[in-house]
Amino acid sequence: EAEVAQSPRYKITEKSQAVAFWCDPISGHATLYWYRQILGQGPELLVQFQDESVVDDSQLPKDRFSAERLKGVDSTLKIQPAELGDSAMYLCASGRGLNNEQFFGPGTRLTVL
Amino acid sequence: GNSVTQMEGPVTLSEEAFLTINCTYTATGYPSLFWYVQYPGEGLQLLLKATKADDKGSNKGFEATYRKETTSFHLEKGSVQVSDSAVYFCARGETSGSRLTFGEGTQLTVNP
Repeated sequence: EAEVAQSPRYKITEKSQAVAFWCDPISGHATLYWYRQILGQGPELLVQFQDESVVDDSQLPKDRFSAERLKGVDSTLKIQPAELGDSAMYLCASGRGLNNEQFFGPGTRLTVL
Repeated sequence: GNSVTQMEGPVTLSEEAFLTINCTYTATGYPSLFWYVQYPGEGLQLLLKATKADDKGSNKGFEATYRKETTSFHLEKGSVQVSDSAVYFCARGETSGSRLTFGEGTQLTVNP
């Protein structure tokens, strides 16, 4: 069964350092999402791609966060510089299109010290 | 405020008990509604969904009915098992586009 892959699974960094997360969606899924899930809360959308284009980045803190999906397949989310409040689970999801159903990866748990 | 409101947790039940986790939403139009489950250390898995009013989503003994009149999508299971212990998230799809808005999540613990 096809799955969304994410790496690394865990990342510990010091504040002011740069971190990057990678996501490989299910083959054929045009839509890719990055969510942030703070402990004890539901996921919140950071950015949504349709193929290689950003369609929604209204909740992405653009002063420090960036995301790209250059070839419309895998994607990278970067934080520079990391802050203590960025500690969270970063989830990637993919979907076929506009029917809302999304398939989630296992997430990357980030701890900023 | 959040447009998806879930019953506050945590919820602790004995095996074979009846489960209800309440979820209400706000929306213009008729969004799709979802329940996702998150087991410890894992990502979210789709449990069930409903795309229009009066639809009933069901999977693994769980059910939820899309109630437009009460803007609700409560999750139910007649007899829970220890393996159902997880965090359950209600989510609402946008009526235009495909982003999801999640509730806060409800931690369920089922004891033997």
